[in-house]
Amino acid sequence: DAKTTQPNSMESNEEEPVHLPCNHSTISGTDYIHWYRQLPSQGPEYVIHGLTSNVNNRMASLAIAEDRKSSTLILHRATLRDAAVYYCILYPSYAGGTSYGKLTFGQGTILTVHP
Amino acid sequence: NAGVTQTPKFRVLKTGQSMTLLCAQDMNHEYMYWYRQDPGMGLRLIHYSVGEGTTAKGEVPDGYNVSRLKKQNFLLGLESAAPSQTSVYFCASSWITGSNQPQHFGDGTRLSIL
Repeated sequence: DAKTTQPNSMESNEEEPVHLPCNHSTISGTDYIHWYRQLPSQGPEYVIHGLTSNVNNRMASLAIAEDRKSSTLILHRATLRDAAVYYCILYPSYAGGTSYGKLTFGQGTILTVHP
Repeated sequence: NAGVTQTPKFRVLKTGQSMTLLCAQDMNHEYMYWYRQDPGMGLRLIHYSVGEGTTAKGEVPDGYNVSRLKKQNFLLGLESAAPSQTSVYFCASSWITGSNQPQHFGDGTRLSIL
């Protein structure tokens, strides 16, 4: 399975933008890039996903490199509530096989937001 | 909206005891999953189900059994609990699994085995 590499931790100030990087140099052509976050004592929460084009939703933006070997999750204005562990995950798109439907969570990036 | 509900939220067991964790979803999702999360680590898939009456092994299935008798419920059983199974257990569900279908998670069951 293709793997992702994220920094262990990052810090930001409240109301400033945050750019969370993710490297996935072995990504296959049909892998989607998903981002989840996990707040303390809660289950993971879906943030955003994409395949090739940049994506925006109410929570964040996802910028995907042209060669798809890296991506960046962008929080436009960090709030204290955004302090969490952020996971970048490659989600296989094919049916069948041992990877079907499975999210493989790495260590993630611990985001600290300062008031 | 309830989403994914896990029962119980906390439990302490003695080694050798058995118990069942219940996961219920009200979104009519076909796919359901059980994960465990140990301190400082990401989630690891235990078992999953692609529909009512079907189950399959995930990454770390040993010591666990599951059942999906009803579409909305996914049960995780520990027949003889061991200290190594002390963990936080998360259930998730998704509509039809595929790369553009996010998984929805419950808030977890914190299980301690003495």
